[in-house]
Amino acid sequence: AQSVTQLGSHVSVSEGALVLLRCNYSSSVPPYLFWYVQYPNQGLQLLLKYTSAATLVKGINGFEAEFKKSETSFHLTKPSAHMSDAAEYFCAVSGPGGATNKLIFGTGTLLAVQP
Amino acid sequence: KAGVTQTPRYLIKTRGQQVTLSCSPISGHRSVSWYQQTPGQGLQFLFEYFSETQRNKGNFPGRFSGRQFSNSRSEMNVSTLELGDSALYLCASSFGVAEDTQYFGPGTRLTVL
Repeated sequence: AQSVTQLGSHVSVSEGALVLLRCNYSSSVPPYLFWYVQYPNQGLQLLLKYTSAATLVKGINGFEAEFKKSETSFHLTKPSAHMSDAAEYFCAVSGPGGATNKLIFGTGTLLAVQP
Repeated sequence: KAGVTQTPRYLIKTRGQQVTLSCSPISGHRSVSWYQQTPGQGLQFLFEYFSETQRNKGNFPGRFSGRQFSNSRSEMNVSTLELGDSALYLCASSFGVAEDTQYFGPGTRLTVL
């Protein structure tokens, strides 16, 4: 069965510092991987997705993630944190069997940005 | 283009009642999926519909049901509400499946008293 593990339920960084949010996946087939962001009282917004093309994926708002098959990882990074990045971030893998929109989400990482 | 619309945004019900939530996808999108978000269980998949057919169902009791109409709008129904059904219910739409980006609505906040 497919799953994702997000290490660190809370991460705090200073404004201007590197953001690194960790995600490891488990999948018996080549996965599709996603990072979503959720601001308070809102739905989810897609930051970026990996669908077996380039292993380094660039997303919106300066975020990027690298698919590393050998490490089964898909960590999210941003070189310089901004106050507006404070939100909850979810890593997700598409469901088993292919050709499905079913997403399996990690437990989320709440990012705090200190001034 | 208008985004995914969910109605109502907030709902308060009592135990034993039933509730229907509505989702209007982005124009032209044929796939709608539903998720339940709670502090304890996180984001859990409920259903996936494509062109009026249920393609996948999550591990939820039969009290949870859904459907999709010919205009791609979708509804989900929860009968005999329990306190544990209190959650944010999110709907997502996409044009197709797998690689297509899913766009999420703002959710319906259901509180069961």
